[in-house]
Amino acid sequence: NAGVTQTPKFRVLKTGQSMTLLCAQDMNHEYMYWYRQDPGMGLRLIHYSVGEGTTAKGEVPDGYNVSRLKKQNFLLGLESAAPSQTSVYFCASSVRTGENTEAFFGQGTRLTVV
Amino acid sequence: QQPVQSPQAVILREGEDAVINCSSSKALYSVHWYRQKHGEAPVFLMILLKGGEQKGHDKISASFNEKKQQSSLYLTASQLSYSGTYFCGTGYSGGNKLVFGAGTILRVKS
Repeated sequence: NAGVTQTPKFRVLKTGQSMTLLCAQDMNHEYMYWYRQDPGMGLRLIHYSVGEGTTAKGEVPDGYNVSRLKKQNFLLGLESAAPSQTSVYFCASSVRTGENTEAFFGQGTRLTVV
Repeated sequence: QQPVQSPQAVILREGEDAVINCSSSKALYSVHWYRQKHGEAPVFLMILLKGGEQKGHDKISASFNEKKQQSSLYLTASQLSYSGTYFCGTGYSGGNKLVFGAGTILRVKS
């Protein structure tokens, strides 16, 4: 059972380039989340989805877009990367609302923007 | 909206106890606790729902005071394996978001 898989695991971008991070889960979870993790700031919620075809903004959505065309996949896009987006990105999924079920995390994507 | 964790960091010797606190300015429906080892993904420890319920996981337990909008994680007789960063995540009634605090770094020394 793979759980939550993120690709790629590492990436270096130049300022202004675009890229897409892919998150795939095989647990038939309804809810999926994208977080970024920076030193001293914990896990900050970028965007989340409560089901196929739906997305919503989290705490730090600026500069990112997401799509949930298939239930098992949640894509995070950076249209024009900036050095401030250098971070470790984690995807997570849960059965339903995050209020009362555990979230399963992927292994993370380390992104550096130069 | 991010919950506030304290302390930011704590160093213990094996066998000592520790308490990590998590508080919110908004009314809480649930509190999640996760532990993250260096270079790894966060791993779920436990969830507490409103009602002041206390839960336990091995020698790690937690309480949730709904009225004070606070939760505390208790680590008893700490082991080297307890080292890592602990995050509390909070859920709010009627909401679908899971928002995490900045984390508490715990280091257990032999």
